[in-house]
This record gives sequence, structure tokens and C-alpha cells, in this order.
Amino acid sequence: DTEVTQTPKHLVMGMTNKKSLKCEQHMGHRAMYWYKQKAKKPPELMFVYSYEKLSINESVPSRFSPECPNSSLLNLHLHALQPEDSALYLCASSQDRARDTGELFFGEGSRLTVL
Amino acid sequence: RKEVEQDPGPFNVPEGATVAFNCTYSNSASQSFFWYRQDCRKEPKLLMSVYSSGNEDGRFTAQLNRASQYISLLIRDSKLSDSATYLCVVNIGLKQLTFGSGTQLTVLP
Repeated sequence: DTEVTQTPKHLVMGMTNKKSLKCEQHMGHRAMYWYKQKAKKPPELMFVYSYEKLSINESVPSRFSPECPNSSLLNLHLHALQPEDSALYLCASSQDRARDTGELFFGEGSRLTVL
Repeated sequence: RKEVEQDPGPFNVPEGATVAFNCTYSNSASQSFFWYRQDCRKEPKLLMSVYSSGNEDGRFTAQLNRASQYISLLIRDSKLSDSATYLCVVNIGLKQLTFGSGTQLTVLP
């Protein structure tokens, strides 16, 4: 079982809806990540938080808004999405980006469908 | 040119076979290298890090060739449970990991 918990596991939303994806880890990790993965493609980095501060935004459209309320939680707020945003959204954490061992711990993902 | 390239496969091999995957990377300043495994409709998980001198973990052997900028993964005595997508991952600096597109392996009974 993964130690990174994501909710919901599945989400269907319309293009005018506002929803949020949630991620939680209790491993004491100080770096947290959002990735987007389309079918048969590798994960694509969206955002990186390090010590609760946004350190990387990979030119993600503003309809995706990340939030890190504390060191254990990471949210991804969704608004006015497009059907092409349908994908698996993976949250990951790592111990500390400054001492990056390359081991990312992934959650099981939230499978998003935009109608 | 992609930063990290892999042969997408699919590789279909019989149980007990030996199979090897290669991965090339374009940034010579890349610092660290990994193989992740992703089962169908599951999250990626770290399989093993790749060290300069090569390293082995049971049936799995990883090697790095910095001069030619490629890494490899060898799986001996394949098991049905090895069926998955194998992702080559490279740290290209700024402590950011870049994933290859993955190589799909199916081990057949």
C-alpha cells in the first residue's frame, strides 16, 4: 500500500465545475509534486513544492491551481477544465529536494474525466 | 531530441527469458539515474537506482555508460509478475527528475 494517499480516486466533472484533488503524506517528506499522466505516456511534472513553497511550475495553465496548506497536504484546485485535461493525476513526495535520492513515493492517482 | 528516450516496445518474452532495456539521455550533465516500474493502472514505483559501477538486485542488473549516455536494465529469468512498464528516469539538474516514455514488458507463460 502506498503511503501517499490521494482522493478522490475517480472524478468526473463538467467544464464549468470547480473541484479539488487532495493528497496527503505522513512520512515527513518536505517535497511534494503533482504529475499528470495520459494513457501510455510517462508522468509529466506539473508543480513542485519544497518546504511548502512552490518551487516549480511547469507552465501549467491557470485553470490548475496548486495549494500546499502544510507539509503533509497538497491540493490541486480545478476550474474550467477542458476535455483534454482528462488524465491520471499523480501526487508524489520525496524526502527533501536538496538531498534528492531520486525516490519519489507516488499516490495511486486521481483519474479525472472532463466532459 | 527528447531528453530521455526509450524503446517503447512492447517486449513480449517467455517466462525464464532474459530481456534488456536501454535508455539514452541527452544532457551530459545528468547526475543520477533510476529505473521505475509501473503496473497497469497503478502508480510508478522505484525499482532501482543506477550507479556508475553498475549494480545488481536479484534478477535485475542496471548499468550506466556515461560516455555514451545510456543506461540499461537487464532482467534475468523473467517471471510473469515482471510484466509492467519500465520507466527510465534521469535527474537532469535542478533536482528535477525526467521520465522516459517507458518500455512495456509482457512475460508470457
